[in-house]
Amino acid sequence: AQSVTQLDSHVSVSEGTPVLLRCNYSSSYSPSLFWYVQHPNKGLQLLLKYTSAATLVKGINGFEAEFKKSETSFHLTKPSAHMSDAAEYFCVVSRAPGNTGKLIFGQGTTLQVKP
Amino acid sequence: NAGVTQTPKFQVLKTGQSMTLQCAQDMNHEYMSWYRQDPGMGLRLIHYSVGAGITDQGEVPNGYNVSRSTTEDFPLRLLSAAPSQTSVYFCASTRLGGSSYEQYFGPGTRLTVT
Repeated sequence: AQSVTQLDSHVSVSEGTPVLLRCNYSSSYSPSLFWYVQHPNKGLQLLLKYTSAATLVKGINGFEAEFKKSETSFHLTKPSAHMSDAAEYFCVVSRAPGNTGKLIFGQGTTLQVKP
Repeated sequence: NAGVTQTPKFQVLKTGQSMTLQCAQDMNHEYMSWYRQDPGMGLRLIHYSVGAGITDQGEVPNGYNVSRSTTEDFPLRLLSAAPSQTSVYFCASTRLGGSSYEQYFGPGTRLTVT
């Protein structure tokens, strides 16, 4: 069965310092993995996706993630945090192979950015 | 395109009342789904549909009904509201197959059941 675990419920960084949000997954097949972001009182927006092409995936707003099969991880990083990055981030795995639409969400990580 | 729209934005219900949350998309997506978001639990799938006339249950379907009479609309019905259904509800849509994989989310409906 597929599952995803976000290892931190809350991460706090200072503006201009690196961001690391950790995600581990479990999948019985080669998964599709995603990071979504939710700003306060807003809907969710796709940050980036891994769908079995390049293992280092670049997304919007300077975020990137690396798919590591040996570690079953898909951590999200950004070299330098901006105040506007403060939001909730969700690591997501596909429920089934291919683009079936069915997703499993992690519990979410709240990113706080301090001035 | 308006994308995915949801109404209402906020709703307060008393226990036992019924209501319908509306969701519409104008992108001609086959797949539509409803999630509920609760603190510390991420989003959980309630029901989904792969096309008009086809619906199926997700992880947490109890207490909710759906129907899909058109490609554009996917309403969620609460038959007899309970305090446990206090949550934020999101509708999403996507095009199946292909390489995009991106799901488009509505702005959410915040529901409180007293």
